[in-house]
Amino acid sequence: AQKVTQAQTEISVVEKEDVTLDCVYETRDTTYYLFWYKQPPSGELVFLIRRNSFDEQNEISGRYSWNFQKSTSSFNFTITASQVVDSAVYFCALSDQAGTALIFGKGTTLSVSS
Amino acid sequence: EPEVTQTPSHQVTQMGQEVILRCVPISNHLYFYWYRQILGQKVEFLVSFYNNEISEKSEIFDDQFSVERPDGSNFTLKIRSTKLEDSAMYFCASSGQGARTEAFFGQGTRLTVV
Repeated sequence: AQKVTQAQTEISVVEKEDVTLDCVYETRDTTYYLFWYKQPPSGELVFLIRRNSFDEQNEISGRYSWNFQKSTSSFNFTITASQVVDSAVYFCALSDQAGTALIFGKGTTLSVSS
Repeated sequence: EPEVTQTPSHQVTQMGQEVILRCVPISNHLYFYWYRQILGQKVEFLVSFYNNEISEKSEIFDDQFSVERPDGSNFTLKIRSTKLEDSAMYFCASSGQGARTEAFFGQGTRLTVV
């Protein structure tokens, strides 16, 4: 069965600190897709990144970076120089090639104070 | 930028009543989804819809739920006889090619059953 674990329930940092959000996944499939979504206080779900299981290259987008490691079944998300606007709930999610459902983790609430 | 639109943003209904939640997916997308999020909890998959039929559904999606694409643009979720535990945020999403591509979510409909 597929499963996504985000062990960190809440993280609090001060502006300009770097922060890493952990995501560990379980799947028996060799082809699968990993995602991160952001849910700001307004409630919508905002897509951040998609990764397929064959592409282990790390990705950087501005202050955001993602570290995908198949050996440890992890897909961690780092925000560099955090800002107050980064305060949100961040969800990691998994899907496989055969299915269409996204399996979400429980989310990590990030609070960035000024 | 294309977006998924959901109406209404908030609906209050009496227990036992039928409700219909409406969504307009992104126009060139082929896969449509409903997810729900009980307050403070993780996002849960309900159902996916492709080629005018359900392609996958979760255990939550029982006989009380149904989906329909009545025309070329709308995608609806019907709950026949609402229960208190149906109170949640319901998200509609759409994607171009199922699990291979990212799903874009609407802003959600908050359903309150009283």
